[in-house]
Amino acid sequence: GQQVMQIPQYQHVQEGEDFTTYCNSSTTLSNIQWYKQRPGGHPVFLIQLVKSGEVKKQKRLTFQFGEAKKNSSLHITATQTTDVGTYFCAANTGGFKTIFGAGTRPFVKA
Amino acid sequence: NAGVTQTPKFQVLKTGQSMTLQCAQDMNHNSMYWYRQDPGMGLRLIYYSASEGTTDKGEVPNGYNVSRLNKREFSLRLESAAPSQTSVYFCASRSQGNADTQYFGPGTRLTVL
Repeated sequence: GQQVMQIPQYQHVQEGEDFTTYCNSSTTLSNIQWYKQRPGGHPVFLIQLVKSGEVKKQKRLTFQFGEAKKNSSLHITATQTTDVGTYFCAANTGGFKTIFGAGTRPFVKA
Repeated sequence: NAGVTQTPKFQVLKTGQSMTLQCAQDMNHNSMYWYRQDPGMGLRLIYYSASEGTTDKGEVPNGYNVSRLNKREFSLRLESAAPSQTSVYFCASRSQGNADTQYFGPGTRLTVL
């Protein structure tokens, strides 16, 4: 069935360095969403991308949707300790189901 | 406006016992979802309900049943719990307005011994 591959699963990041997580799908997506889950918490919606090649920014977070609408990335500039948690991409192919990636967890070292 | 609420927050069961996880949303959303989250595996869809009166299987439905009691409530039942069902269970409801957003409840941490 439909799968969304997200990499890396974990990454050690020095505070102040940049960090990127990637999502890839074998099929064209209607849209892609990004969620953040703090340790012990629940996923919280960050943003949705719909258009081919779309780029959106939220402060230090930059989200991109690929031209073919099969991949997406989340780039965090100057990572801070407040960025800890797990970042998930979630893809919708047009129906009611949303498929989540396995998540990327940055380990931020001060 | 509480959003999505789930009960209980924690539960320990013995193998073979049954229980129902409750979920309610007050955002007037049509679609509701049940996910399980295991370490390193992200969120896997168990069942979903596109609208009141309908339910459909997700990726991992075996061992579970659901009921969409009304527009607000969507419950998940384990008829005979197994250790493999030890997990964190999240309920979500979906907004399809300007952003296709899922709102998650706080989760139920279930341990099956």
